[in-house]
Amino acid sequence: DAKTTQPTSMDCAEGRAANLPCNHSTISGNEYVYWYRQIHSQGPQYIIHGLKNNETNEMASLIITEDRKSSTLILPHATLRDTAVYYCIVRGPISNFGNEKLTFGTGTRLTIIP
Amino acid sequence: DGGITQSPKYLFRKEGQNVTLSCEQNLNHDAMYWYRQDPGQGLRLIYYSQIVNDFQKGDIAEGYSVSREKKESFPLTVTSAQKNPTAFYLCASSPTAVSYEQYFGPGTRLTVT
Repeated sequence: DAKTTQPTSMDCAEGRAANLPCNHSTISGNEYVYWYRQIHSQGPQYIIHGLKNNETNEMASLIITEDRKSSTLILPHATLRDTAVYYCIVRGPISNFGNEKLTFGTGTRLTIIP
Repeated sequence: DGGITQSPKYLFRKEGQNVTLSCEQNLNHDAMYWYRQDPGQGLRLIYYSQIVNDFQKGDIAEGYSVSREKKESFPLTVTSAQKNPTAFYLCASSPTAVSYEQYFGPGTRLTVT
């Protein structure tokens, strides 16, 4: 699986959009970008994933650049509950049966400021 | 409510003792996973199971053992051979071995002294 690079920490004002970048310059054509987050001392929570098109769900939007070498997770209206560590993960397609692990890096510690 | 249960939340053991961490899910998921997290670091995969009576080693399986005798249960034993067992242990499951999402339990914080 391709390696990802994320900033160690970021701050965002409550109510504003939080934009979390991720670099994955060695991503392969069939690898997906996933985002999870982990609130302190809890298990990670799935947020969103995508291949090459931008994706949106009730939690966030995922913008993937045309060359797929980087992506941005957008939390449109950040609240204090969004304070967490956010992990950007790249993994192969689901058809790679027998190796369905998620490789978590150190992530970005996002702090929402009142 | 459906979900993944890990118990206890905090566990203390003496060095040299084996300890078994519980993971139960009532989501009817086929696949289950064990991860370890150390302070300030990401998660690392210990073992995973795609289906009952089958499991595979992850990246850091040494010093750990698992069993998958029932679909809903995937206990992890931390043996005395594990050199640095103190960590936060997370169990996860996914509907099948080919599912996009993994659902995580609340974790067990193991301290060995």
